[in-house]
Amino acid sequence: QQQVKQSPQSLIVQKGGISIINCAYENTAFDYFPWYQQFPGKGPALLIAIRPDVSEKKEGRFTISFNKSAKQFSLHIMDSQPGDSATYFCAAIYSGGYQKVTFGIGTKLQVIP
Amino acid sequence: DTEVTQTPKHLVMGMTNKKSLKCEQHMGHRAMYWYKQKAKKPPELMFVYSYEKLSINESVPSRFSPECPNSSLLNLHLHALQPEDSALYLCASSLGQGGIQPQHFGDGTRLSIL
Repeated sequence: QQQVKQSPQSLIVQKGGISIINCAYENTAFDYFPWYQQFPGKGPALLIAIRPDVSEKKEGRFTISFNKSAKQFSLHIMDSQPGDSATYFCAAIYSGGYQKVTFGIGTKLQVIP
Repeated sequence: DTEVTQTPKHLVMGMTNKKSLKCEQHMGHRAMYWYKQKAKKPPELMFVYSYEKLSINESVPSRFSPECPNSSLLNLHLHALQPEDSALYLCASSLGQGGIQPQHFGDGTRLSIL
């Protein structure tokens, strides 16, 4: 049972374009939603995170939009660069539990020059 | 550079071998985790240690044996592994186990079982 659904599984964007990755969750107990970026041969690195009482969070070129009523959230990468080419995982955590991170399936992003 | 250090980076072992993976962090974190990641898949939680005590075992086969000698170190002892155990093994740590505590991952050990 996939508790966090992520799409698309792969994405090709031209340099300078906007990359958009969408996620949806089912468990309303989730109360923390991080995004991880993973380069080949590296571990996942926390990129940006949001709590459901906030509708948007921006850090540099990365923005999370959160729609609590729809149980959806998305990552927008503005002015995408070839160095952003990586796999992105959305995730959800229930802070009252034991910190189990429920990951989405992952999106492989390729930014072409 | 990640603040969670894992050794070795690569490991090839036979099905009858015994080996150990090591993980170290010096961030003062009190929760540490082992994950398994297969190619093109998200990480899957294996074990959680909180204050050096095993708090979660996600029904992992006994051929994987975790150990937390102190608050900075986490080991994963491997014995009689199967070819399907070939994967990237990731260690992570967080400040604590309760509340909202982002997990910081190491770069993993790439394990191949012959």
